Amino acid sequence: EADIYQTPRYLVIGTGKKITLECSQTMGHDKMYWYQQDPGMELHLIHYSYGVNSTEKGDLSSESTVSRIRTEHFPLTLESARPSHTSQYLCASSQTYTDTQYFGPGTRLTVL
Amino acid sequence: GNSVTQMEGPVTLSEEAFLTINCTYTATGYPSLFWYVQYPGEGLQLLLKATKADDKGSNKGFEATYRKETTSFHLEKGSVQVSDSAVYFCALRTNSGGSNYKLTFGKGTLLTVNP
Repeated sequence: EADIYQTPRYLVIGTGKKITLECSQTMGHDKMYWYQQDPGMELHLIHYSYGVNSTEKGDLSSESTVSRIRTEHFPLTLESARPSHTSQYLCASSQTYTDTQYFGPGTRLTVL
Repeated sequence: GNSVTQMEGPVTLSEEAFLTINCTYTATGYPSLFWYVQYPGEGLQLLLKATKADDKGSNKGFEATYRKETTSFHLEKGSVQVSDSAVYFCALRTNSGGSNYKLTFGKGTLLTVNP
């Protein structure tokens, strides 16, 4: 059973607000990922991390930023939310030398 | 680069019908192949995987065989249920070309099973 958590599950917020989406995993995985899922279901990798103090941009450019100060925690921050940021955000983790990524339940963000 | 092409949906079936969702891939090296499923309102779950040619992954009545000669990994189930209604993603992962454990996903196929 995968133990990866995301909060909040749903967030409705006004333009210009700063937001942080939380992601935590209790499996001790070294790798973590953020995906953006558009309404057409397609997944886009926006950030990933290979371990503490390691973060990289993904395949899709994003105005969000991430940090990895602790192994289990990989928060995503938007300094100034805009309607174009409205989407579902999925966090995932995996262990080095294994194939499987485990996904959290997602955060559905709506920016008005 | 790596890419995954899967059958466009939506797919609508009656309960107990046979399911096939096609998936083909382009990759450098020797990829591992996956099917993930996303139920409504949830994140993705690994459904099955295969790590080398001719391997068959199976789970919950679903099967897919890694076909290197046709670069395919089609998902099949002999008799679908209403509870199988979900979005299905085909994905691959390689260790070469700097991919560094990242997954490449197809665009997803929405399956709806009617009673």
